[in-house]
Amino acid sequence: GQNIDQPTEMTATEGAIVQINCTYQTSGFNGLFWYQQHAGEAPTFLSYNVLDGLEEKGRFSSFLSRSKGYSYLLLKELQMKDSASYLCAVTFVGSARQLTFGSGTQLTVLP
Amino acid sequence: EADIYQTPRYLVIGTGKKITLECSQTMGHDKMYWYQQDPGMELHLIHYSYGVNSTEKGDLSSESTVSRIRTEHFPLTLESARPSHTSQYLCASSTIYSPLHFGNGTRLTVT
Repeated sequence: GQNIDQPTEMTATEGAIVQINCTYQTSGFNGLFWYQQHAGEAPTFLSYNVLDGLEEKGRFSSFLSRSKGYSYLLLKELQMKDSASYLCAVTFVGSARQLTFGSGTQLTVLP
Repeated sequence: EADIYQTPRYLVIGTGKKITLECSQTMGHDKMYWYQQDPGMELHLIHYSYGVNSTEKGDLSSESTVSRIRTEHFPLTLESARPSHTSQYLCASSTIYSPLHFGNGTRLTVT
């Protein structure tokens, strides 16, 4: 299979920094996406990593290590509206951009 | 900004009924997808299309069928709904250069 693992739940405080990890099977790996999904809503695109390193976009950053099969999403200056599920999703070579999703990490931001 | 529309947003229907979930996008994307998502669970790909007259089954076995007669339209049909079909159905589209853009989903309940 193409297991994608991420923690089920995380809790953090408003204003803090949180790191959500994702590991995946490296065989055939092509690229990795992070999506945010609020309850009852559709996922929205956050970031895309295909090369090793850090991609920064405002308060959100995403890191990838292809050799280790590891990524993380870093959220800084947490706000209450950041409470959502964060989905790690991977494309594999030959999959024509079909995404395989992890189960998501439910982040709760407390005041 | 992504323009992909799903109707209906919510549907409650009795067992045995035939239903069609509509999905349309105005971005000219060649690739379209249907995902199924139960509450708190990961998204599972049930159908995808690379272009007009091209449809394929996804990773998750589904009793639904799809058609792609026009680029912008990718409806999903259940010939005979059952309670096991109760779920959220998310439509998405992309090109080779863009991430998946999701519609708002159809939440289906079969009684």
